[in-house]
Parts: sequence; structure tokens; C-alpha cells
Amino acid sequence: DGGITQSPKYLFRKEGQNVTLSCEQNLNHDAMYWYRQDPGQGLRLIYYSQIVNDFQKGDIAEGYSVSREKKESFPLTVTSAQKNPTAFYLCASGQAVGTEAFFGQGTRLTVV
Amino acid sequence: SQQGEEDPQALSIQEGENATMNCSYKTSINNLQWYRQNSGRGLVHLILIRSNEREKHSGRLRVTLDTSKKSSSLLITASRAADTASYFCAPAGGTSYGKLTFGQGTILTVHP
Repeated sequence: DGGITQSPKYLFRKEGQNVTLSCEQNLNHDAMYWYRQDPGQGLRLIYYSQIVNDFQKGDIAEGYSVSREKKESFPLTVTSAQKNPTAFYLCASGQAVGTEAFFGQGTRLTVV
Repeated sequence: SQQGEEDPQALSIQEGENATMNCSYKTSINNLQWYRQNSGRGLVHLILIRSNEREKHSGRLRVTLDTSKKSSSLLITASRAADTASYFCAPAGGTSYGKLTFGQGTILTVHP
């Protein structure tokens, strides 16, 4: 069953802790993206990767880090440097940059 | 960065009516994509129109693109209550190659 999977769906962390959100795809896509969505807002691009072993900062990369060691995986780490980490995080992948993107179901992170 | 700005921010109509949403962007593009998001879910790709196309249809969806005005519109005909969702446009390629960015979206409510 092909698709893009984000886990977990809900995540709670204490302030000051780093947390890693998982994103896996079995669509053989080169491009992958991470977005943040706050209540009632649009999506803001955190990081994107055009190909394995390469990634670029998006519009709001501060306080976040990523890796792209495997084509299928693009984990996002929310570090303690991120001032307001509570949000809905969405991962997406596409066959190539600028093509149709497929989204995961999201991870809702709450930092208390 | 290259992101679309959707207008209106919110649209409320009765079932059976048509819904029109607009998108404006700032720089050159290779294509423009429209997505739909149901509350608390990931985005779903609806339609992609290339920069050399002026109009495209998919079922009850009709998308137009005017590159001279840097604008696009999404028309949903004969709306249904199930069309209630947020709709986003994503201008892609051109000077923002590699990124896929979104605006604030249009919240569409279709009343039964």
C-alpha cells in the first residue's frame, strides 16, 4: 500500500526537550518537504529536500533540523531552540520538485 | 518567497451553487497547483495547470491561469456539503525552483 506515513499522530513533550517527527514514503519520490501549520493559518515551509543527502532551509527553519540519509525517510527534529513548537506538522513528497505533492496525515505536537 | 495569496479568505454558499476562489502570485512559475484540506488532515492535490495552459477541467473543477496577471482561479460547480474544506494554491517552479509554498487558503463552507 503506497503512500506517505507520519508518526506519531499526536506527540506531547516537555519544554526544553528535543523531539523527532518521523516521515516515511514508499512512493520512490525524490522531493520531500516539511511544513508547519498553526490554527487557522496556512502552511509554512520549514525544510525541503530535492534529492537524497541534500536539503535546503525553507522560510522558517530556525529551531528545526532535518536529515535525508535515505530516499524514503525525511525526519524532522524540533529542537529546544524553537520558541513556539506547538503546532500541526505536515510532511509531503513529490516525484520531483514542483510536481504534485502527496501529504501525510500530520503530527500534532504539543509542548507543555 | 513565491507563495500564492488566496482570495477570499472565507466563502459561504448553499449546496448547488458554484464556488470561485482566486490566487495571485508574484514571480514566474512553471505550474500552479490547487490543494484541498479537510480539517485536521493532510492536503490533497486537486489539479495542476502548467504555465502554457490557460484552462483545465477535472470533474466539477475548472481552473484558469493568466500568467500576464499572475493569477489563477478555481471554480467548483454544483457544490456539495462534502466540498466544505480549505483550499490552497501553490505556484511552483520559476524563480523559487525547489520550493512548494502555500498561502493562507480559502475556507469554503457549503451549507446543505
